[in-house]
Amino acid sequence: GQQLNQSPQSMFIQEGEDVSMNCTSSSIFNTWLWYKQDPGEGPVLLIALYKAGELTSNGRLTAQFGITRKDSFLNISASIPSDVGIYFCAGPPTSGTYKYIFGTGTRLKVLA
Amino acid sequence: SAVISQKPSRDICQRGTSLTIQCQVDSQVTMMFWYRQQPGQSLTLIATANQGSEATYESGFVIDKFPISRPNLTFSTLTVSNMSPEDSSIYLCSVDSINEQFFGPGTRLTVL
Repeated sequence: GQQLNQSPQSMFIQEGEDVSMNCTSSSIFNTWLWYKQDPGEGPVLLIALYKAGELTSNGRLTAQFGITRKDSFLNISASIPSDVGIYFCAGPPTSGTYKYIFGTGTRLKVLA
Repeated sequence: SAVISQKPSRDICQRGTSLTIQCQVDSQVTMMFWYRQQPGQSLTLIATANQGSEATYESGFVIDKFPISRPNLTFSTLTVSNMSPEDSSIYLCSVDSINEQFFGPGTRLTVL
């Protein structure tokens, strides 16, 4: 079946550093969503992207919908300890469906 | 965004027993979804629950193992039947709101 591959799988960074992660698919997506999951919690929606090339920000977070429509990127600027968690990309593999598949996740750890 | 609650938040169960998980939304929604997140893994869609019709199950999930009810537009239940240790996971419900999915806090199930 379709998969969304995220890289890196995990990363340790120093507080204050910028972080970049990406999500790639073997097929075209029309919507990309980025979520963050804290331990013991459900995923929380960070950013939604609907158009190829779209660049959207939410505070220190910026996400881009890749031009090929097969990838998306999430950047976090000036990381802080509460950025720790698992970041998932997600999207509907079939246009017009509400069924989403989730990426493999990027686990972020911030060193104070 | 919708506010979603789940009960129980966690449980420890004996193999061979069943557990019913409840999901309550603060607004009426057409589609509700149930996901499973196995330890250290991403989210996998179990089924889509629409009010007034049978749930639609994804490949690898069957109604006998995961019966779902959707009695009204704000509530759904998922039962994990005849449990085995392999069913130990976080079970999450979500709702779709204008092409964005929002999640409940999850139910952490441990089967001994």
